[in-house]
Amino acid sequence: GQQVMQIPQYQHVQEGEDFTTYCNSSTTLSNIQWYKQRPGGHPVFLIQLVKSGEVKKQKRLTFQFGEAKKNSSLHITATQTTDVGTYFCAGQESGGSNYKLTFGKGTLLTVNP
Amino acid sequence: GAGVSQSPRYKVAKRGQDVALRCDPISGHVSLFWYQQALGQGPEFLTYFQNEAQLDKSGLPSDRFFAERPEGSVSTLKIQRTQQEDSAVYLCASSLNGRQHFGDGTRLSIL
Repeated sequence: GQQVMQIPQYQHVQEGEDFTTYCNSSTTLSNIQWYKQRPGGHPVFLIQLVKSGEVKKQKRLTFQFGEAKKNSSLHITATQTTDVGTYFCAGQESGGSNYKLTFGKGTLLTVNP
Repeated sequence: GAGVSQSPRYKVAKRGQDVALRCDPISGHVSLFWYQQALGQGPEFLTYFQNEAQLDKSGLPSDRFFAERPEGSVSTLKIQRTQQEDSAVYLCASSLNGRQHFGDGTRLSIL
């Protein structure tokens, strides 16, 4: 079945440093979504990417979808302590159901003030 | 309500007991999902409802797991004869347009 892999598993940065997490799918995706889960909280939707090569920005966050629609990345510029949490990518398989999301294991980001 | 509501937030049960977890989705959301999230892992799909119809239950680990959504709103996930490996956070999410809104989950601990 479809697998979604994320690296790194953990990332610790100093406040103000940049952070990037990478997501790779074993199959081509119709779209990819990103979620953030704060410690003790629930996943919160950040963004959805649909088009090959798409790049979207939300303030300090930049999301990319690969040309082959099998990989994606999330880059945070100048991290802040409020960025702490686990970032998950979740892919919807191309040609599969139009509802089922397969989540990666996530990247836990900690920020030292 | 404003968001997806799940109850109870915490549930401790002895091995072999049955448990029932409730999810109250955002009003008007047609799609409802159940996920299982183990510590340090991403949510894993269990089952999907569109209104009252359970269209996909491929992620349910065994026939001890049963979910229903009889009136197309509130959903219940039932686990019979619980085992220690059932210990996890069970998340419910509802959706109208693909973006999923998650509840706070039920943390289930089986002793």
